[in-house]
Amino acid sequence: GAGVSQSPRYKVAKRGQDVALRCDPISGHVSLFWYQQALGQGPEFLTYFQNEAQLDKSGLPSDRFFAERPEGSVSTLKIQRTQQEDSAVYLCASSLTPGLRSYFGPGTRLTVL
Amino acid sequence: KNEVEQSPQNLTAQEGEFITINCSYSVGISALHWLQQHPGGGIVSLFMLSSGKKKHGRLIATINIQEKHSSLHITASHPRDSAVYICAVWGPTISNFGNEKLTFGTGTRLTIIP
Repeated sequence: GAGVSQSPRYKVAKRGQDVALRCDPISGHVSLFWYQQALGQGPEFLTYFQNEAQLDKSGLPSDRFFAERPEGSVSTLKIQRTQQEDSAVYLCASSLTPGLRSYFGPGTRLTVL
Repeated sequence: KNEVEQSPQNLTAQEGEFITINCSYSVGISALHWLQQHPGGGIVSLFMLSSGKKKHGRLIATINIQEKHSSLHITASHPRDSAVYICAVWGPTISNFGNEKLTFGTGTRLTIIP
């Protein structure tokens, strides 16, 4: 009876390291979103997938950020050459179809030292 | 881009009080979420509504599309209601529905004192 899961839950990276964050959406959910939430702020949109197609990546803050969902289910958010300003909670959400209620994962807290 | 504002930013109340959190947005939307986030980061969707009013237990959400405003009410508040409540909107209202995304408010931190 799974909801949205994310791994790892916590990640500490040295500045300059590459990281990969995983999201397992609810099975059958078409839409998948990635959000970034800085401390004390509301989440900010990063990117959106409809099945395997990345329809919107306008929120990715730089070309160091890359997301994929090759088979339309699991998604990976990759951050290359991490910087301290990348420290945040990265949230994944899925919904059955576009516009329906979103279900959020627990997030991955990334700390870049 | 839709601007989403919530008020108040912080709210402390005594157990049992009636709580109201407000959300205003600037551009027409197709739907609005009220979300609850507990310390530790987990987000739970409380309501998604596009018109009128919804009720679930002690929680009530209303939306006025013309006024671009929504409220979340908590009756008989309890310390376990302490959390950050976030308003998020789908929109703007465009025909390309599949390309919509959520825009979030910064949240209201609610603390209920026993």
